[in-house]
Amino acid sequence: KNQVEQSPQSLIILEGKNCTLQCNYTVSPFSNLRWYKQDTGRGPVSLTIMTFSENTKSNGRYTATLDADTKQSSLHITASQLSDSASYICVVSASRGSTLGRLYFGRGTQLTVWP
Amino acid sequence: DSGVTQTPKHLITATGQRVTLRCSPRSGDLSVYWYQQSLDQGLQFLIQYYNGEERAKGNILERFSAQQFPDLHSELNLSSLELGDSALYFCASSVSEGLGEQFFGPGTRLTVL
Repeated sequence: KNQVEQSPQSLIILEGKNCTLQCNYTVSPFSNLRWYKQDTGRGPVSLTIMTFSENTKSNGRYTATLDADTKQSSLHITASQLSDSASYICVVSASRGSTLGRLYFGRGTQLTVWP
Repeated sequence: DSGVTQTPKHLITATGQRVTLRCSPRSGDLSVYWYQQSLDQGLQFLIQYYNGEERAKGNILERFSAQQFPDLHSELNLSSLELGDSALYFCASSVSEGLGEQFFGPGTRLTVL
């Protein structure tokens, strides 16, 4: 069964600290993995997208890693800011060659940054 | 601002009614996707259209339908509404038919009383 599991479900950190969010998946055949940031009541915004051959990708203070062998990804946030408070969603796509594949969404990790 | 627009922003209606949600994709994007996000639930993929044609279906109820028009805007029709249909409905768009980068709109919050 194709699934995407994220941990922790929620996380509270102090401003300026670093944190790491985890995403484990069982989606096959794997096409790509994305991390989205979703502020409360707003649409998700893409942070990174990684294919099978990429194992690290950065976007400012956000760094995503991908281990396709263990089917794990992490999102590391450096020097957190109050504006980082949001839900972070891991999305994995499965591809069937040239035909349209499927997207599998994690439930998200709710990050709260306190001053 | 993603460039994807959705109207209305909020919608309050009663059970049994029918509503239409509208989405305009980013300029140049041919694919439109619809998602439902209930309280404390993850995003649920409903349906995708590419250049006017249905391309993929997810967990879309038979009471729900969608279409994409020649100008590429899309509408999601929800009928015989139930309390459980209360949710945020997001539209996303992308350039390609496949699973490339998607840009999400601000969402329509539907409340069924």
